[in-house]
Amino acid sequence: SQQGEEDPQALSIQEGENATMNCSYKTSINNLQWYRQNSGRGLVHLILIRSNEREKHSGRLRVTLDTSKKSSSLLITASRAADTASYFCATVPASYNQGGKLIFGQGTELSVKP
Amino acid sequence: NAGVTQTPKFRVLKTGQSMTLLCAQDMNHEYMYWYRQDPGMGLRLIHYSVGEGTTAKGEVPDGYNVSRLKKQNFLLGLESAAPSQTSVYFCASSSGQAPSYEQYFGPGTRLTVT
Repeated sequence: SQQGEEDPQALSIQEGENATMNCSYKTSINNLQWYRQNSGRGLVHLILIRSNEREKHSGRLRVTLDTSKKSSSLLITASRAADTASYFCATVPASYNQGGKLIFGQGTELSVKP
Repeated sequence: NAGVTQTPKFRVLKTGQSMTLLCAQDMNHEYMYWYRQDPGMGLRLIHYSVGEGTTAKGEVPDGYNVSRLKKQNFLLGLESAAPSQTSVYFCASSSGQAPSYEQYFGPGTRLTVT
C-alpha cells in the first residue's frame, strides 16, 4: 500500500507564481524526500529532509515537515516553464532497518504556463 | 559517469513470452532497486538488493525474478509475461548510507504485453 498521498493531483500556474504541493504519510519516518520526473524520463532527487528537521531550503525549493501531522510540503518559488514535471514525495519508514527502501506517493503533476 | 542505464528502452511482448531487463550502474552503489510505474499508482517496489549476491522482495514481487551476480548489474526477469505487467519499469541505485538513502534512477523501460 502507498505510504504517501499527495495533494493536489494536478496544479496549473503561470510563470513567476509559487507552486505548493503537499504530501501526507501514514507511519513514522526516518526521512522524507522529494523527486521530480520530467515526461518520459526517470526520477531525479531534489531534496531530503530528516525526521528531526522542520524546514529545509535548496535554491528555489523550500520543504517543510510536520511529523506530528505526518505531512510535508514542497514550495517552488518564482516558477519557470522548465519546472513543468511530476513531483513525488517518498519516505523511508522508521521501521526499515535495511535497504533504504522508499515508499512513493502518487505524485503531483505541475504545469507552468509561460 | 553514465549513472544508471537500462536496456532495452522499449519492448513489446506477447502473453507468455519471457524477457530480461538489464540495469547497470557505475557509481559503485551497494543498493539497487526495481520499480514499476503505472498511471495513478506512483512507483511500486518490485525487488531490491542490498549487495552483490543478495535480493529481496518488495511490494509487488509476483511474476518477477531478479539476480545480482555483479555489484554493478541488477537483472529483472519476467518468466511468463501477462498483460497486467504492461508498465514502465525503473531501476535505481543508492549508496545505502544512512541517513540519506537518496536514489538515482535510470531512464526507464516501457514494456507492453499484448
